[in-house]
Amino acid sequence: GDSVTQMEGPVTLSEEAFLTINCTYTATGYPSLFWYVQYPGEGLQLLLKATKADDKGSNKGFEATYRKETTSFHLEKGSVQVSDSAVYFCASTFGSSNTGKLIFGQGTTLQVKP
Amino acid sequence: NAGVTQTPKFQVLKTGQSMTLQCAQDMNHEYMSWYRQDPGMGLRLIHYSVGAGITDQGEVPNGYNVSRSTTEDFPLRLLSAAPSQTSVYFCASQELGFEQFFGPGTRLTVL
Repeated sequence: GDSVTQMEGPVTLSEEAFLTINCTYTATGYPSLFWYVQYPGEGLQLLLKATKADDKGSNKGFEATYRKETTSFHLEKGSVQVSDSAVYFCASTFGSSNTGKLIFGQGTTLQVKP
Repeated sequence: NAGVTQTPKFQVLKTGQSMTLQCAQDMNHEYMSWYRQDPGMGLRLIHYSVGAGITDQGEVPNGYNVSRSTTEDFPLRLLSAAPSQTSVYFCASQELGFEQFFGPGTRLTVL
């Protein structure tokens, strides 16, 4: 069945370090892919998205490229800040249909130390 | 716009009690969903709706009921709460083909 797998956390980095959080998916068809972020005590916010192969989503210095050949959507940031500390979720639609259902990875906790 | 609102923020129930988690959105979105978030498991889809009067089951529907009488509201009902339903519940809404917008969540504890 369709699934999303993220790297295990927690990830602890020093400020200004480079961040990569791996995400791979299995899906039929051509899913849309998302990264959501959850700050402590809050709901999920969309960070970035990509809807077709080779698309690059970007926002707030974060980037992720939709790689169909490796079924991956890894999240990267060149220089993290303390304010980036949060839980990051990779998500996929069920196949090509973006109609109210998402599959989420288990989430990766990022802690950035000053 | 208030976006997606959920009430209550916190709730404690005893085993066997019933309750309704409320969800409302003011963005005129057709699609709404309920998820539960458990440690190490991400978010799992409970029920979803593609429009008023139309609902369907997600990955973990057992123990939960939903209805969608209006576009704006999508309540989630627990008929007989169990400790396994202790979780954080998120409601979300979207337009067809776009991203989902999430509410702030309801933290439920079942004793």
